[in-house]
Amino acid sequence: EAQVTQNPRYLITVTGKKLTVTCSQNMNHEYMSWYRQDPGLGLRQIYYSMNVEVTDKGDVPEGYKVSRKEKRNFPLILESPSPNQTSLYFCASRRTGINEQFFGPGTRLTVL
Amino acid sequence: AQRVTQPEKLLSVFKGAPVELKCNYSYSGSPELFWYVQYSRQRLQLLLRHISRESIKGFTADLNKGETSFHLKKPFAQEEDSAMYYCALKRTGANNLFFGTGTRLTVIP
Repeated sequence: EAQVTQNPRYLITVTGKKLTVTCSQNMNHEYMSWYRQDPGLGLRQIYYSMNVEVTDKGDVPEGYKVSRKEKRNFPLILESPSPNQTSLYFCASRRTGINEQFFGPGTRLTVL
Repeated sequence: AQRVTQPEKLLSVFKGAPVELKCNYSYSGSPELFWYVQYSRQRLQLLLRHISRESIKGFTADLNKGETSFHLKKPFAQEEDSAMYYCALKRTGANNLFFGTGTRLTVIP
């Protein structure tokens, strides 16, 4: 089944403890992206990647890092999480030239 | 800079009534507009895009460049339409989507 997967789906952590949320897609999509969803603010893009080894900042990149070493994976790294990063995170992918994005199931992160 | 405004955070309609979810945008170029939907416990998914001029699940949306709007409409709401709806804009030549804040639609039986 063609899909975008994220792990973990739920995570509770403490301030300052480094964490990684993985994202993987099996559709051979070039483009991948991370969003956070917050009440009243909708979806805001954190980082995106046009292809392997090509990443760029979105609208709210502060406090996050990403890497794209392989086409299928696009992990989101929080080096030192803070409570204001408590949110619902979505990974998405699409094929270059096609505007429909396919979303993962979401990761609900709580930083205490 | 682009901006997508969905003025209604919450919208409730009765089953069988018409529904319109508003979306206004500001962008000086020619945008591509989309509606994405998130049903309960499901992933966000594309509902329709303006360039396709299609009707999906009875929903339509027309791009009105004069009013800079892309409202989503359905003549007869169904209970299964209850969901979170996001309007999204893609600028010409850009690689990413810019989303509005979303409208939660509840269809009352």
